[in-house]
Amino acid sequence: SQQGEEDPQALSIQEGENATMNCSYKTSINNLQWYRQNSGRGLVHLILIRSNEREKHSGRLRVTLDTSKKSSSLLITASRAADTASYFCATDAGAQKLVFGQGTRLTINP
Amino acid sequence: DTGVSQDPRHKITKRGQNVTFRCDPISEHNRLYWYRQTLGQGPEFLTYFQNEAQLEKSRLLSDRFSAERPKGSFSTLEIQRTEQGDSAMYLCASNLAGQETQYFGPGTRLLVL
Repeated sequence: SQQGEEDPQALSIQEGENATMNCSYKTSINNLQWYRQNSGRGLVHLILIRSNEREKHSGRLRVTLDTSKKSSSLLITASRAADTASYFCATDAGAQKLVFGQGTRLTINP
Repeated sequence: DTGVSQDPRHKITKRGQNVTFRCDPISEHNRLYWYRQTLGQGPEFLTYFQNEAQLEKSRLLSDRFSAERPKGSFSTLEIQRTEQGDSAMYLCASNLAGQETQYFGPGTRLLVL
């Protein structure tokens, strides 16, 4: 079963705008990761945030983690057409497997 | 290309047939994972190996499913007596023990008619 939910399920914005996706999860975690999936393809790792971290940056990506609320957000700044993809959060509870959310489908309109 | 590879990329089969998928992990990776992803959903864990040992299996992995990693390198996932509900993308990932990030292959898309 899925660990939690992602919100929104779909997001459509104009190129250059910022995109924010949220993820909620249910159990205690060691870390939370965000992956991107282009249509019909495998997943690409974007960024990892550990349970003792609150915010992390990587290029145009910013991730926050609130363990008290069991939630995370992914912000993509200055979006580009190439950012069009599905984005998944995945939690690692130390059991060697990742538990994924349902994903957010992001569409960047030129 | 030294990433994770999967073969075939697409498979169409008739209900009741057996299918086998192959995954070649990144060469030095000793852990290998299988996930299943249905349309509009996130991947769900099926099983994982450390070297040749299968260390965990999800309850999603019914007795029609079997996975092997005989020499600790490539892995195969076999589905016997396929059902329409088996239609999905089957994803393989690998990493080194202790590594948190998993590296995914392109997936095998299965359609059972």
